[in-house]
Amino acid sequence: QVQLAQSGAEVRKPGASVKVSCKASGYTFTNYYINWVRQAPGQGLEWMGIINSAGGSTTYAQRFQGRINMTRDTSTSTVYMDLSSLTHDDTAVYYCARVLVRGLARFDYWGQGTPVIVSS
Amino acid sequence: QSVLTQPPSASGSPGQSVTISCSGGASNIEGETVNWYQQLPGTAPQLLIYSNDQRPSGVPDRFSGSKSGNSASLAISGLQSDDEATYYCAAWDDTWNGPLFGGGTKLTLL
Repeated sequence: QVQLAQSGAEVRKPGASVKVSCKASGYTFTNYYINWVRQAPGQGLEWMGIINSAGGSTTYAQRFQGRINMTRDTSTSTVYMDLSSLTHDDTAVYYCARVLVRGLARFDYWGQGTPVIVSS
Repeated sequence: QSVLTQPPSASGSPGQSVTISCSGGASNIEGETVNWYQQLPGTAPQLLIYSNDQRPSGVPDRFSGSKSGNSASLAISGLQSDDEATYYCAAWDDTWNGPLFGGGTKLTLL
């Protein structure tokens, strides 16, 4: 069955970086794009960006440009999301979610979420 | 960045029906397909409706979606206690060049 397994919770200080992983299984990894979506405490869903699992090309939401980097490792079917220059406002649960076609908001499988706490 | 507008809350009694609205504009809902997600407390969102009115395998037919112009709706009939959740609409936005989510509607059973 399709699974997106994310890495565990992280605690960082302001100004630090965090790297979250998302390991895919149960489907052909390179056939799907992976998105990252975050949810601050008590808030809604916010799209951060997308990576083409086959070619590795990325598109980031403008507000994260310059401090986000998404990469993938096809040998392990894993996608990574690196977010730098963290502030308290980056405290959130970070989800990966797959989509078959870029240009659709149809995320059919989601990871379980990775809590990231930014605290001094 | 939430230009898809949903009511923050909705409620209904068990067995009743409820409809949740989602309004957008020409660059998103009007020209793109709408998807709906259900997020139970403490869990990841799950795809509930895709392509405006299609249900993934396993989603009961109590859930239905529709779209007209720059608005979409999610209807839930025969409300059950485990329908208590937050519901999000989502659509690609051609201007934003990414998917947009609505602010979410928290459904409470009375």
